[in-house]
Amino acid sequence: GNSVTQMEGPVTLSEEAFLTINCTYTATGYPSLFWYVQYPGEGLQLLLKATKADDKGSNKGFEATYRKETTSFHLEKGSVQVSDSAVYFCALRGDNAGNMLTFGGGTRLMVKP
Amino acid sequence: GAGVSQTPSNKVTEKGKYVELRCDPISGHTALYWYRQSLGQGPEFLIYFQGTGAADDSGLPNDRFFAVRPEGSVSTLKIQRTERGDSAVYLCASRAGAGNNEQFFGPGTRLTVL
Repeated sequence: GNSVTQMEGPVTLSEEAFLTINCTYTATGYPSLFWYVQYPGEGLQLLLKATKADDKGSNKGFEATYRKETTSFHLEKGSVQVSDSAVYFCALRGDNAGNMLTFGGGTRLMVKP
Repeated sequence: GAGVSQTPSNKVTEKGKYVELRCDPISGHTALYWYRQSLGQGPEFLIYFQGTGAADDSGLPNDRFFAVRPEGSVSTLKIQRTERGDSAVYLCASRAGAGNNEQFFGPGTRLTVL
């Protein structure tokens, strides 16, 4: 079956530091890949997505590239801000009829001023 | 416009009791999903509705869990004979139409079984 593995947190960075959160996946067929973010006290929000190999998703300064050869979708940001503190979830959507999502375990990011 | 809403936001119950959790999807969204998020983990798929019917319930952990969507809009997740291990945040998401549209998540219901 499908599965997603992401680096465990918490990840603690100083403001303006470079961020990488690793994500690898196992899936049959041609999944779509996502990063969701959960800010404190809020629901899950889609951050970015990529639907095919070599696509790059980007939003709010975050980027992730769909690498089929390494089955990875690492999240990066060049300069984090305190407001980026949240829990980040990598997820995949298989190419089945239901389009349900399979999530990784989440990575908590804490950015200190 | 209004997003996905879930009620109650918090539910505390005793072991063995019955609970119902409600989800109001975005108006017009035909697909509806329930996920369960245990503490420190990512959400796990429970059940998927397309319209009124449960198209995939393969994620329901056992027969104590049941969900309905009688009019193709509001959905209720029902848990019988609750156990302490059922304690989690239950998330609902809805999606417009068929295909690869985005799922929009509600804020969740935090269920605590004492």
